[in-house]
Amino acid sequence: GIQVEQSPPDLILQEGANSTLRCNFSDSVNNLQWFHQNPWGQLINLFYIPSGTKQNGRLSATTVATERYSLLYISSSQTTDSGVYFCAVPSSNTGKLIFGQGTTLQVKP
Amino acid sequence: NAGVMQNPRHLVRRRGQEARLRCSPMKGHSHVYWYRQLPEEGLKFMVYLQKENIIDESGMPKERFSAEFPKEGPSILRIQQVVRGDSAAYFCASSPIEMNTEAFFGQGTRLTVV
Repeated sequence: GIQVEQSPPDLILQEGANSTLRCNFSDSVNNLQWFHQNPWGQLINLFYIPSGTKQNGRLSATTVATERYSLLYISSSQTTDSGVYFCAVPSSNTGKLIFGQGTTLQVKP
Repeated sequence: NAGVMQNPRHLVRRRGQEARLRCSPMKGHSHVYWYRQLPEEGLKFMVYLQKENIIDESGMPKERFSAEFPKEGPSILRIQQVVRGDSAAYFCASSPIEMNTEAFFGQGTRLTVV
């Protein structure tokens, strides 16, 4: 089945710094989602981005489907950005998602 | 416009008891997916259901686990005779159609088996 790898596994930033998180996938996909799991465990939808670039405030994402990767950019990070960031892609026509192992981000004040 | 609703948020069961987890999809969504997140891990697919049908249960453990999505009411994930290894967060997601659409997740149910 399709494999999803995220890097780096862990990231510590000072407040105000920028960062780039990467998601590689092993096969062609029709869509990709980025999620933020906050310290309370809630999964927040960040982007639904099959291809191209989208921006939402300080966050933006780019998916290059032909090269099988997606990037999540966080600019001017804040302590509330802390948590785990997951990317996920569908593995079959049924739409079930395969998740990466996540990037754990800690933003220090 | 309520999102995906899961209850209970937290559930404690003794070994050998049954756990029932409920998921009400977003309004207008007829596709429900259950995922399990073990501590310090990513989410793993368990089962995909439409109303009154199990479409894909390839991620479900062969024994003790079952799921349903009746014509009326929420989807239920049932775990019989729970063991310590069942302790995890269980998430439900819904989408309007099965392919190429954004999935929305509930807040999860955190099951602790003591």
